[in-house]
Amino acid sequence: GAVVSQHPSWVICKSGTSVKIECRSLDFQATTMFWYRQFPKQSLMLMATSNEGSKATYEQGVEKDKFLINHASLTLSTLTVTSAHPEDSSFYICSALKVGRYTDTQYFGPGTRLTVL
Amino acid sequence: GQQLNQSPQSMFIQEGEDVSMNCTSSSIFNTWLWYKQDPGEGPVLLIALYKAGELTSNGRLTAQFGITRKDSFLNISASIPSDVGIYFCAGRGGGSNYKLTFGKGTLLTVNP
Repeated sequence: GAVVSQHPSWVICKSGTSVKIECRSLDFQATTMFWYRQFPKQSLMLMATSNEGSKATYEQGVEKDKFLINHASLTLSTLTVTSAHPEDSSFYICSALKVGRYTDTQYFGPGTRLTVL
Repeated sequence: GQQLNQSPQSMFIQEGEDVSMNCTSSSIFNTWLWYKQDPGEGPVLLIALYKAGELTSNGRLTAQFGITRKDSFLNISASIPSDVGIYFCAGRGGGSNYKLTFGKGTLLTVNP
């Protein structure tokens, strides 16, 4: 199997606070995970690539000091939205890369709905 | 960032009808993936294609990796109400770059 979980599934916070989102690969190890952001009726937008044991690689225009990523183990990556503001409200989705002998596939988590008041 | 051209943007069909959607790219991809996303959920992998010309089925779903490696299509036969959702194609280049490029999605509505 290839199951990826996210926690929490939704969170509401006040402006200025920080929020941590967890992404776990439950039945396989993932040295690489990805964090996406999705606005209503739009496609997924890659924010960063999370690499176990090393620094994350951020896409152009994504503030690394605002979206802190930690990939401390082969099954867990976390995204922390620091000093959240209403414009950070969005649907955040992670994926974990399952690498086989000949193929590799990204499996997605169920997403986290962040609402910043 | 780069995006694939996915069409159609939306489809309204009757239950039982067949559906076809496709993606094209100006770049060559080594992998094509098709995902389905339900409202408020993450994308779920439907079919993965790893070889040019490959034709793969998953139940009522069939997808093909174009021979030019710049396109892929997904067919759904005998649609049912639970097929409703947004379908995304995604492509990956080769080597150690595992990033995916996504299409904008096809919203499928099935009338019972």
